[in-house]
Amino acid sequence: GAVVSQHPSRVICKSGTSVKIECRSLDFQATTMFWYRQFPKQSLMLMATSNEGSKATYEQGVEKDKFLINHASLTLSTLTVTSAHPEDSSFYICSAVPGPQSSYEQYFGPGTRLTVT
Amino acid sequence: QKEVEQDPGPLSVPEGAIVSLNCTYSNSAFQYFMWYRQYSRKGPELLMYTYSSGNKEDGRFTAQVDKSSKYISLFIRDSQPSDSATYLCAMMSGGFKTIFGAGTRLFVKA
Repeated sequence: GAVVSQHPSRVICKSGTSVKIECRSLDFQATTMFWYRQFPKQSLMLMATSNEGSKATYEQGVEKDKFLINHASLTLSTLTVTSAHPEDSSFYICSAVPGPQSSYEQYFGPGTRLTVT
Repeated sequence: QKEVEQDPGPLSVPEGAIVSLNCTYSNSAFQYFMWYRQYSRKGPELLMYTYSSGNKEDGRFTAQVDKSSKYISLFIRDSQPSDSATYLCAMMSGGFKTIFGAGTRLFVKA
């Protein structure tokens, strides 16, 4: 149980275009999902916390107008990278929490590798 | 100073060795301590979590937390080549925000 999927797993786009990444909890409902960014050989950097039915909370330094997050249902959150630039190339990973009583228990998706050319 | 410090390695050991992975932290408010395993180009997988101080064992894995020293460890007994991965420590104080260590790359040689 506790499976989280991400789509696409890999995407290449041209500079200036937008890319949408989906994160789905397949066998549980997640009121909270997280979006992380990971550079090679570095740890996970939290970008934003996504709560179903409300606005996402962004970490300091993350442009909310550039990284649009929508958490429209208890099983789906999306991250849209708008007007992507080469410096946005990275590994984006989402995670989902089954419930507030187990907030330490994050289940991660397999990640999306974004390459902006 | 980072909130969580973890030696990135790499750490290379022979098959069957006992592996010790460690993290230190500075925020005394942390109460939940987790270890994740991440294979290359995959998302992290929760291995173990511990609440407050103490030890926790699960098969070949043992997690230890020493809050007085702000030090946590993960021990892997009888290490296998399939254990080769990056191991991330993570901590939270309650609420949702989790702070991750940089991860230690482990290689277990057959």
